[in-house]
Amino acid sequence: GAGVSQSPRYKVAKRGQDVALRCDPISGHVSLFWYQQALGQGPEFLTYFQNEAQLDKSGLPSDRFFAERPEGSVSTLKIQRTQQEDSAVYLCASSFLPGTGRHEQYFGPGTRLTVT
Amino acid sequence: GENVEQHPSTLSVQEGDSAVIKCTYSDSASNYFPWYKQELGKRPQLIIDIRSNVGEKKDQRIAVTLNKTAKHFSLHITETQPEDSAVYFCAASLFMYSGGGADGLTFGKGTHLIIQP
Repeated sequence: GAGVSQSPRYKVAKRGQDVALRCDPISGHVSLFWYQQALGQGPEFLTYFQNEAQLDKSGLPSDRFFAERPEGSVSTLKIQRTQQEDSAVYLCASSFLPGTGRHEQYFGPGTRLTVT
Repeated sequence: GENVEQHPSTLSVQEGDSAVIKCTYSDSASNYFPWYKQELGKRPQLIIDIRSNVGEKKDQRIAVTLNKTAKHFSLHITETQPEDSAVYFCAASLFMYSGGGADGLTFGKGTHLIIQP
């Protein structure tokens, strides 16, 4: 079946602009995670949804970052007033198909954000 | 919160030899430990994982061992091949098996594995 998809794959924003990054999880997956991966580093947790409920947003670096998943499927990560330190790859992962006992996280290809 | 340390940061081995990557974690509540392989510019791909109720798991040339007492887990790759060259990340999290909820993964900083022909 189709894996996790993300769009756009690349985004260049001028400092101060707002951006919106989209994640389409694997169909039926209950859990959805956003991570930020700086160059040469491991992914760092940003936020977690179970269906439409945002259960953990402890990793969001500032109040400029906002995520939503209104219908429990597609999710959007929004960054307001982008700054250069926001430049990174933003990864989305989905997991947990009820009834299967499977909870592995599968990652999308990421959106590479460059703030100039 | 959880902290995961990973060593070494770079590992170069001859093709056909074995490679071992080691990780330690800080939160004794963590119960799920996956390993991901990431090629340059690509998404992280799950290669093997282990739950805290198991000490070892093997899948062909790849094995993972877990020592809960020491809060230590390792990835072992045998008979390495050129296509094994990549960055490998260990991770840890708490998964609530009853409700399906989970913490986000805490990743190590990665190991760049280089297979010398």
